[in-house]
Amino acid sequence: EIGLTQSPATLSLSPGERATLSCRASQSVSIYLDWYQQKPGQAPRLLIYDASNRATGIPARFSGSGSGTDFTLTISSLEPEDFAVYYCQQRTDWSFGPGTKVDIK
Amino acid sequence: QVQLVQSGAEVKKPGASVKVSCEASGYTITSFFIHWVRQAPGQGLEWVGILNPKSGVTSHAQKFQGRVTMTRDTSTSTVYMDLSSLTSEDTAVYYCARGTPALDYWGQGTLVTVSS
Repeated sequence: EIGLTQSPATLSLSPGERATLSCRASQSVSIYLDWYQQKPGQAPRLLIYDASNRATGIPARFSGSGSGTDFTLTISSLEPEDFAVYYCQQRTDWSFGPGTKVDIK
Repeated sequence: QVQLVQSGAEVKKPGASVKVSCEASGYTITSFFIHWVRQAPGQGLEWVGILNPKSGVTSHAQKFQGRVTMTRDTSTSTVYMDLSSLTSEDTAVYYCARGTPALDYWGQGTLVTVSS
């Protein structure tokens, strides 16, 4: 089973700041890594698929990069609606990372 | 528009089984896989399993071996997840999601509470 670790566990930032979230896989998953955003009481929402492709309707301030075992989700300038929990998921055996909470500083 | 609508909340006793449904609309259900994902209260997302609605073939996370069954009824565009031998650790919100292959559309979630 492929393990995913996410860092940091919590990221405290102010609106307008840049957020950089990391996801690391225990073995290579090529580019088959996706990112989801989840707000309290809501289902997750797909942000990025295949490591770097924005899903339909996702703003350009969200970007993804990486391949193999190291991946990054970047939010270039945080908007108030971006404060949420972010999960990565790999598509080899479908496990999720533990999540990174982005909260307001 | 694509929608996945799940059945309502359930309360079950330890040792019982639960069956959650997920009705798809806005696309042909046999065109894409369906995943089941769960989230215990205050916890992260946990992948449960995947169903190919066209063939009926399934796969699931090892920890659910022998306890989870995923089926479909293509005539009603509905998929089902049956989880047996429930314990308190199965208390969670269960989501279905369409895989294209990333999980692009999600159901609203079904809360399953296991309590004596």
